[in-house]
Amino acid sequence: GAVVSQHPSWVICKSGTSVKIECRSLDFQATTMFWYRQFPKQSLMLMATSNEGSKATYEQGVEKDKFLINHASLTLSTLTVTSAHPEDSSFYICSARDVTSGSSYNEQFFGPGTRLTVL
Amino acid sequence: AQKVTQAQTEISVVEKEDVTLDCVYETRDTTYYLFWYKQPPSGELVFLIRRNSFDEQNEISGRYSWNFQKSTSSFNFTITASQVVDSAVYFCALSMNTGFQKLVFGTGTRLLVSP
Repeated sequence: GAVVSQHPSWVICKSGTSVKIECRSLDFQATTMFWYRQFPKQSLMLMATSNEGSKATYEQGVEKDKFLINHASLTLSTLTVTSAHPEDSSFYICSARDVTSGSSYNEQFFGPGTRLTVL
Repeated sequence: AQKVTQAQTEISVVEKEDVTLDCVYETRDTTYYLFWYKQPPSGELVFLIRRNSFDEQNEISGRYSWNFQKSTSSFNFTITASQVVDSAVYFCALSMNTGFQKLVFGTGTRLLVSP
């Protein structure tokens, strides 16, 4: 099956620094990737939709200047948390959409997640 | 707007008991997809099933079964003879057949299976 990786799997950083998280589709090309955030004991909340070669589309309430998304190739999207603060500590999950299946639904394959802790 | 409700926040059962996780959804679209995912303590989402709105047949896969009823907008998930390894958070999700087919997740049900 399709595999999506995330790097790093966890990161601890100091308040005020920026952190970059990578999401890669390993065995398929993904024109669309999604970024989710999950706080402890809560559900997954979609942050943004990332499209290869164009600007990301952010969900309401998500600061685009704080969460920079770049989808530079068909297999890589990055999320940069700029000037991170403790309230940004969360589990960040990406998914990649496989549009080559030929079916009416294009499956989303999820990465293993990145746990960010901001001190 | 689309919405998924999982009213059960946490369920505790003893091993070998059967357990049903409820999911109720809201949408105005006629074509949509429903999903169940498992999230074990490691955090990685595990896909369990996808159902499209035109297929109301119940499905069974080993100890897992799903009951889809459009009349009540429900897509319930039953685990038969539960095992300790079933302990996880289970999410029900809904996707439209338009645009990027974004997923809307329910709040999740935490299942604790004790020996």
